[in-house]
Amino acid sequence: SAVISQKPSRDICQRGTSLTIQCQVDSQVTMMFWYRQQPGQSLTLIATANQGSEATYESGFVIDKFPISRPNLTFSTLTVSNMSPEDSSIYLCSSSEGVGDTEAFFGQGTRLTVV
Amino acid sequence: GENVEQHPSTLSVQEGDSAVIKCTYSDSASNYFPWYKQELGKRPQLIIDIRSNVGEKKDQRIAVTLNKTAKHFSLHITETQPEDSAVYFCAASNGGSYIPTFGRGTSLIVHP
Repeated sequence: SAVISQKPSRDICQRGTSLTIQCQVDSQVTMMFWYRQQPGQSLTLIATANQGSEATYESGFVIDKFPISRPNLTFSTLTVSNMSPEDSSIYLCSSSEGVGDTEAFFGQGTRLTVV
Repeated sequence: GENVEQHPSTLSVQEGDSAVIKCTYSDSASNYFPWYKQELGKRPQLIIDIRSNVGEKKDQRIAVTLNKTAKHFSLHITETQPEDSAVYFCAASNGGSYIPTFGRGTSLIVHP
């Protein structure tokens, strides 16, 4: 089973600043996914990151606010830019070892608080 | 695209009772149906999954059933224990798409 290491695990940030979240997978994966989750709530997909191409964003999320990098098959970053208190949430990265009909693995999550 | 509905949003049971969580999906091409458990402050983790060529699968106190005709699948937990308290997510996906579609989650509370 793939293991995803995500950091930081939590951060408190000032509004107007940016935070970059990193995810490292212990094996090569084709797709990585970034989710936002309010505590106790559902997983909202932000974007899908494929190595060598621009990320694909879901409705309501834009590249200027959530730039994503995917420099290789084991690593991805999500930046939350120009933060406001509304960005306070848990951010999770995810992937799977195969195509869609296989188990998804998640990072530990980043609990972000914007003050 | 796929749409997954999950019910109930909250389920409260007494220790030892059974718990059932139900999901429906819309895309008949979906062929993989995992269930994830997310304990407070932790990452979601797979607890059981089922593929479309199987109607039921059991793993100790946990079972999943799938009705492809009706496009619904359910998670059954028997003899619930306080450590079963968590949020449970269903999902549906197929080999043609890398993106799983998750249900909205069920918060299961098991009272000792």
